[in-house]
Amino acid sequence: EVQLVESGGGLVQPGGSLRLSCAASGFSFSSFSMNWVRQAPGKGLEWVAHVSSSSGTIYYADSVMGRFTISRDNAKNSLHLQMSSLRDEDTAVYYCVRYDSDYVGSWFDPWGQGTLVTVSS
Amino acid sequence: IQMTQSPSSLSASVGDRVTITCRASQSISQYSNWYQQKLGKAPRLLIYAASSLQSGVPSRFSGSGSGTDFTLTINSLQPEDFATYYCQQSYSTPWAFGQGTKVEIK
Repeated sequence: EVQLVESGGGLVQPGGSLRLSCAASGFSFSSFSMNWVRQAPGKGLEWVAHVSSSSGTIYYADSVMGRFTISRDNAKNSLHLQMSSLRDEDTAVYYCVRYDSDYVGSWFDPWGQGTLVTVSS
Repeated sequence: IQMTQSPSSLSASVGDRVTITCRASQSISQYSNWYQQKLGKAPRLLIYAASSLQSGVPSRFSGSGSGTDFTLTINSLQPEDFATYYCQQSYSTPWAFGQGTKVEIK
């Protein structure tokens, strides 16, 4: 069974830092690109960051560029999101998501259960 | 590329046919996906590449469209289908989601 389990969320003050992790199992982690998607309380979904299977290609949403860093460790089947200079508006549930694709397109599947990050003084 | 869903919410009864639409701000060919999210849970992929049903998803769900206009249809709405539905474009980064459509019980 494919599983993605996030950890590392919590309460942090504005301007602070936090590192999220995602443990992957049940599939060949090193063969897939991975993403982080977030959802502010009561709001919709917002894509945050993407890393290719070999870490050769990385993309960020404008809202986190320069503050967040996505990385992965294929030897440990893990995905990370280093978040710094956190703002109130970064408060959200952060989902670890596998990126799948073929000749017809690409999609996010599956999703982890999410980890809540709260930025507040 | 922006994705605009309509309606933002709807009320329907068990057994109804429900249609949710999504419009892209520019042509995205068939690069559109649909997700279902139940309260307090992670989203779940329903439809990818506009019309392909994800494995394990009931056949009452279907998707159609190309270019800028896409539709998610739920035939014979079931109690477990009451949730929020999101479209998403996978044509180019930043990958964007629609604002969501909440399907509620009438």
